[in-house]
Amino acid sequence: DVQMTQSPSSVTASVGDSVTITCQASQGIRTWLAWYQQRPGKAPKLLIHTTSTLQSGVPPRFSGSGSGTEFTLTISSLQPEDSAIYYCQQANNFPVTFGQGTRLEIK
Amino acid sequence: EVQLVESGGGLVQPGGSLRLSCVASGFTFSNSWMHWVRQVPGKGLMFISRINGGGSSADYADSVKGRFTISRDNAKNTLYLQMNNLRAEDTAVYYCVGGLAPHLYNWFDPWGQGTLVTVSS
Repeated sequence: DVQMTQSPSSVTASVGDSVTITCQASQGIRTWLAWYQQRPGKAPKLLIHTTSTLQSGVPPRFSGSGSGTEFTLTISSLQPEDSAIYYCQQANNFPVTFGQGTRLEIK
Repeated sequence: EVQLVESGGGLVQPGGSLRLSCVASGFTFSNSWMHWVRQVPGKGLMFISRINGGGSSADYADSVKGRFTISRDNAKNTLYLQMNNLRAEDTAVYYCVGGLAPHLYNWFDPWGQGTLVTVSS
């Protein structure tokens, strides 16, 4: 299976800041990468697919980039509601696999 | 409104069986690949199984192959997961998940609210 490794494991930032979360794949996955947001007690929510395509209704403060094995999720102008765990997911190989998650705390 | 509502979770003894159901509404269920994804409380996400729109093709994670069976009833807009020979390590919240689009079926949206399965004696 393709291993997905996220960094950092957790990050704390202030309202208005920008943060970048990195996801590394154990082998090349072209641009078959998605990002999900999971708020406490809720199901995950798709933010971005195919590396950089914003899902409908997701604010443009969220952006994704990368290809091959290195990918990033950038959240600009952080808002309190961005406090959540963020997961990357690859869909280039079966089975799809997820990163371990990055916890974002807004102070 | 697009909605997925799971049911059937609960407490079961090791070696026991459970069937999860997921009722879909607000989208064309029969055109959609559907998936089950699980999450151990406080931990990450893991793909379990998927099935195509017509129900003719299904795939499984190695950890559940031979024990779990995914199926669907398009007339009832319902997805199922039959889980047999359950183990303690199957304890998790199980999410019913739709594929984003027929050609983007490995992007997961929408998600159900999840149903907790606890395997314990």
